[in-house]
Amino acid sequence: RKEVEQDPGPFNVPEGATVAFNCTYSNSASQSFFWYRQDCRKEPKLLMSVYSSGNEDGRFTAQLNRASQYISLLIRDSKLSDSATYLCVVNQDTGRRALTFGSGTRLQVQP
Amino acid sequence: NAGVTQTPKFRVLKTGQSMTLLCAQDMNHEYMYWYRQDPGMGLRLIHYSVGEGTTAKGEVPDGYNVSRLKKQNFLLGLESAAPSQTSVYFCASSYGPNYEQYFGPGTRLTVT
Repeated sequence: RKEVEQDPGPFNVPEGATVAFNCTYSNSASQSFFWYRQDCRKEPKLLMSVYSSGNEDGRFTAQLNRASQYISLLIRDSKLSDSATYLCVVNQDTGRRALTFGSGTRLQVQP
Repeated sequence: NAGVTQTPKFRVLKTGQSMTLLCAQDMNHEYMYWYRQDPGMGLRLIHYSVGEGTTAKGEVPDGYNVSRLKKQNFLLGLESAAPSQTSVYFCASSYGPNYEQYFGPGTRLTVT
């Protein structure tokens, strides 16, 4: 099983739609979770951290399900500018002292 | 604050040539990382550093060396470039292993 697994997509949605991505992780001891956004040919940028109780930032909502070992990202009222690849990021607590990045889910918002 | 900067932005090498990529951060972060990203693929950790004077291997360290002589700088060296090292290289830094990482803009390297 991959350490961090995401559906690569692409998810093609119309403007204004609500879309959700899930990400599963393998290490039950993981403590830190993030969503990053990466535009084509650019560096990844932090979108939001994911807290145990769930958290919201404008149109974006992140949730953590420790029992099933997955995190989710919900985007409401999708904009054309939301088109990007969304990376799920988890610390694996393996002693490697680094976060593990998923391969990403590509979102394409269409007019 | 410039955040994380990388030089050069682009480079073309011939097989067997050597080069050094420079990463600098002005956020006083202890941890620094080098990743490579191939088309359509995720980030793969090459080497990382948990503080000045320390380095450690990541997932794909072969063919690369690193040095962290100053806290703010992390250098990635290719001693004898190979076409398989054609990639985009990203540097990142963070306060610690469980904190968010901040990325530089990347270096696009082509080895012919």
